[in-house]
Amino acid sequence: QVQLQQSGPGLVKPSQTLSLTCAISGDSVSSKNAAWNWIRQSPSRGLEWLGRTYYRSRWNNGYAVSMKSRITINPDTSKNQFSLHLNSVTPEDTAVYYCVRSQGYLDYWGQGIPVTVSS
Amino acid sequence: QSVLTQPPSASGTPGQRVTISCSGSSSNLGSNTVNWYQQLPGTAPKLLIYDNNQRPSGVPDRFSGSKSGTSASLAISGLHSEDEANYYCAVWDDSLNGRWVFGGGTKLTVL
Repeated sequence: QVQLQQSGPGLVKPSQTLSLTCAISGDSVSSKNAAWNWIRQSPSRGLEWLGRTYYRSRWNNGYAVSMKSRITINPDTSKNQFSLHLNSVTPEDTAVYYCVRSQGYLDYWGQGIPVTVSS
Repeated sequence: QSVLTQPPSASGTPGQRVTISCSGSSSNLGSNTVNWYQQLPGTAPKLLIYDNNQRPSGVPDRFSGSKSGTSASLAISGLHSEDEANYYCAVWDDSLNGRWVFGGGTKLTVL
């Protein structure tokens, strides 16, 4: 059974960097069949895909165009986890953040972390 | 605004059949399979239907999905009170270098 356990701060100041981690059990971040995604949800924007990382003989990343200048998603094979870094945050980035596995469809979701951007 | 269009609300009485629609375009529903999620308050979305009409293990066969062209629908038959939740459609979109896109969600009320 795949489980995704998220960690990270629930409060970030404007202009700073939001950093979250997703620890994987029951699968490998290096799996050649899966991709590892970050998705957020807010009342104003609904569900929004932010980006993903995946391994197919080499590491690949894909990011939402709206996020591309501010986002980095990194795998950590030594800890079997992956991370999200979103810089220059504003109150518009306030949302519940989820890490999600995909294998053709988004199947396993982390528990979600509510993040508030406020001074 | 969400890329996929869903009605904001739906309702039914216990035992009834309800359907929820999801409308998209050629770059998403017209090209790829649709997935449906159920979200209860305070929890992560749960996969309900994948690849248009497949149910993961443990999902009752009261839930079914279909797709035609750039539209899809989720049907729930024999409505139960515990089916009251938000339902979302999701599909891979081939535009903008590829991305997952979602519907705005449908709040199902069991009267």
